[in-house]
Amino acid sequence: GAVVSQHPSWVICKSGTSVKIECRSLDFQATTMFWYRQFPKQSLMLMATSNEGSKATYEQGVEKDKFLINHASLTLSTLTVTSAHPEDSSFYICSARVRTSGSQTQYFGPGTRLLVL
Amino acid sequence: LAKTTQPISMDSYEGQEVNITCSHNNIATNDYITWYQQFPSQGPRFIIQGYKTKVTNEVASLFIPADRKSSTLSLPRVSLSDTAVYYCLVGDNNAGNMLTFGGGTRLMVKP
Repeated sequence: GAVVSQHPSWVICKSGTSVKIECRSLDFQATTMFWYRQFPKQSLMLMATSNEGSKATYEQGVEKDKFLINHASLTLSTLTVTSAHPEDSSFYICSARVRTSGSQTQYFGPGTRLLVL
Repeated sequence: LAKTTQPISMDSYEGQEVNITCSHNNIATNDYITWYQQFPSQGPRFIIQGYKTKVTNEVASLFIPADRKSSTLSLPRVSLSDTAVYYCLVGDNNAGNMLTFGGGTRLMVKP
């Protein structure tokens, strides 16, 4: 299957700082990528849809000014957590769609663990 | 988006076949059914996808009845390493809609 990478795999930062997470599609181009957040023992929650060359679409309750998404190329989307606070500590996962025969399949990155102190 | 319902957890033993059923009563005509596996602190891994009848690949089979209101993921001869959370998702992949995750099924494989 298609490979999606994320960087960094984990990050620890002080409260008030900003953190950037990169999501790359390694062997395919992705016009659309998705960002999810997952808290311990919970399911994945969609945060936003990242569209190449246009503004991201955020889910209800997700602050677009706090979670900045940039999809500047067909292989890279970035999520910046601005002025991070301890409650932003979570597991962030991105995904990208790949067109396969007859449909599209969503492939996920390995995730980024964020800990805000 | 079609809502899915899965058992919260299942237990099995090594070498057994495991069947996890997912209900999606309001599945739409254009919706596909996709299953993912997730280990702790990892992103979900694609297992299998189907639209109707039966789909089989090297790791699993997916059975979808004619009314498509449910689907069953079948894992043959599970091992301890198959202990994970399994998610059933339904969505119109061709329309480009994102997939919404339900609660998933936590499978525990015992020796």
